[in-house]
Amino acid sequence: NAGVTQTPKFRILKIGQSMTLQCTQDMNHNYMYWYRQDPGMGLKLIYYSVGAGITDKGEVPNGYNVSRSTTEDFPLRLELAAPSQTSVYFCASSRTSGGAGEQFFGPGTRLTVL
Amino acid sequence: KQEVTQIPAALSVPEGENLVLNCSFTDSAIYNLQWFRQDPGKGLTSLLLIQSSQREQTSGRLNASLDKSSGRSTLYIAASQPGDSATYLCAVQEGGSEKLVFGKGTKLTVNP
Repeated sequence: NAGVTQTPKFRILKIGQSMTLQCTQDMNHNYMYWYRQDPGMGLKLIYYSVGAGITDKGEVPNGYNVSRSTTEDFPLRLELAAPSQTSVYFCASSRTSGGAGEQFFGPGTRLTVL
Repeated sequence: KQEVTQIPAALSVPEGENLVLNCSFTDSAIYNLQWFRQDPGKGLTSLLLIQSSQREQTSGRLNASLDKSSGRSTLYIAASQPGDSATYLCAVQEGGSEKLVFGKGTKLTVNP
């Protein structure tokens, strides 16, 4: 199993551009998550999904959108990129939640907005 | 609002030493607590998950404890090795929520 994969690994955007960060998992997990990690800080939840067709906001959703059309894929869309969105983005998945849900993380996408 | 604090922020020890990393949280209404390892430029690797009903979990040289009532967890690493050098993150899953709340991490350096 590849686990959780993310593309691209690195990206530089200009202010106002848009892009989609891709995330795929092959573990048939229902729960998927997007986090951002700023330097010297802990991770913060952007959006999450409890299954195909169901998404919900996390702690810092502004400026982002998500969709979940399949169990495997959970893309994160940035519209009108801003310098404040410069960060490392991690996708994660878990089989279940409510206490038993160990989360598995992808390698991250390092995004710079100039 | 749940807050997770990790002390110390950085720790440097000689190889072979036993060490303890600390994590504290402000709201004891949690589902679980998870310890992760993060290598530079890499994603997070789950080390141990302790459910709210458990007191500790062990994996190899790692032992994590949880005291919900006092809002504390410790990660004990026995006989540390240079390969243990990484940043260790603690996260709690709030009860009734999908959200993991992370601490800022402890950067561990084990010197040969």
